[in-house]
Amino acid sequence: KAGVTQTPRYLIKTRGQQVTLSCSPISGHRSVSWYQQTPGQGLQFLFEYFSETQRNKGNFPGRFSGRQFSNSRSEMNVSTLELGDSALYLCASSRTGSGYTFGSGTRLTVV
Amino acid sequence: DQQVKQNSPSLSVQEGRISILNCDYTNSMFDYFLWYKKYPAEGPTFLISISSIKDKNEDGRFTVFLNKSAKHLSLHIVPSQPGDSAVYFCAAFDAGGTSYGKLTFGQGTILTVHP
Repeated sequence: KAGVTQTPRYLIKTRGQQVTLSCSPISGHRSVSWYQQTPGQGLQFLFEYFSETQRNKGNFPGRFSGRQFSNSRSEMNVSTLELGDSALYLCASSRTGSGYTFGSGTRLTVV
Repeated sequence: DQQVKQNSPSLSVQEGRISILNCDYTNSMFDYFLWYKKYPAEGPTFLISISSIKDKNEDGRFTVFLNKSAKHLSLHIVPSQPGDSAVYFCAAFDAGGTSYGKLTFGQGTILTVHP
């Protein structure tokens, strides 16, 4: 069975631009969470969506947003990119809420 | 405020021996714990989990122990293999609350298994 698919794998953007990352969860999984991994802060929770509704949000500025579609696919958007937004962005999906499968991530570099 | 801590940044073990990775947490609302293995530039891979109603869970070479009173859990890998070399993350969440999808991760421990 297919795992969690994140696209693109790598992305280079310029400061001030915006970016959209995509996540396709495992079939049947309706919960999608997003995380940011940086060397200094580790893995930090961004937000979680279930049935197209954001149920939980981490401590990130409003420049970070997301959405979920009716087929459970999710996108996250970062506007007005800053150098500090350079990170590995990970998406995880779950059916039951107790087991989370992660994708391979999108490596975003802001220059 | 780091609610999940892995105090050992690294651990080096000989092949065939036991690897013990430790994790401490401070939030008493956490009632479900997971261990993930991660390679650079890849997503974490789930290894094993434990609910707070148990104190031990085994899956092949991996065993997780939970000491609720001490707010401490550990992952035992026996026997250790060179392919186990990776970063190991402990994660916790409040399964009974409204922390939907929010895993709180430790900082990770780099495990190196020498042949």
